[in-house]
Amino acid sequence: SYVLTQPPSVSVAPGKTATITCGGNNIGRKSVHWYQQKPGQAPVLVIYYDTDRPSGIPERFSGSNSGNTATLTISRVEAGDEADYYCQVWDISSDHYIFGTATTVTVL
Amino acid sequence: EVQLLESGGDLVQPGGSLRLSCAASGFAFRSYALSWVRQAPGKGLEWVSGISASGLTTYNADSVKGRFTISRDNLKYTVFLQMSSLRVEDTAVYYCAKDLVEAPGRGFESWGQGTLVTVSS
Repeated sequence: SYVLTQPPSVSVAPGKTATITCGGNNIGRKSVHWYQQKPGQAPVLVIYYDTDRPSGIPERFSGSNSGNTATLTISRVEAGDEADYYCQVWDISSDHYIFGTATTVTVL
Repeated sequence: EVQLLESGGDLVQPGGSLRLSCAASGFAFRSYALSWVRQAPGKGLEWVSGISASGLTTYNADSVKGRFTISRDNLKYTVFLQMSSLRVEDTAVYYCAKDLVEAPGRGFESWGQGTLVTVSS
């Protein structure tokens, strides 16, 4: 089955840029979605279709996808960005949604 | 405003059954696919089941195939998850999630707050 691999944790200073990767075989051929989940809360969609932002999501959140890696970038990081982040794809070979292993972003 | 309200979570013994419901409002329910996603305590997100807007096509994770059944009532704006032969490892918060389009695959633009299922003797 299709596997998505994320780094367990990313630490970043306020005002700097956080980069979260999501690795998968030829993931560049799939549409990648990203979710933010804060403790005790439901996930929130922050990027869909690789690069699109839902309304209400700050422009500081951006995405890219190519080759075997998709990336979520958070610019000018704020304390409120501390959360777990998950990537997701639809695996057409199995007709399954697949989630990545989650990355915890810590703001120093 | 899109709202998804899950209910039906409970404590159940291994081998038991449970039916979860997700009542939706604030959008054209019959035009969107829906899914159930679970999260075991301290763990990551796991997609469980999905259903197309029409209800004619369903999808299930391998871990629940043959045990869980997703369905929907487009007149009552509700999606269900019938769970049987429950195992300890099914213990999780179960979220209802709304897809971006009529078929699964394009991501979840809205989520409910979840309902807790605990499988234990």
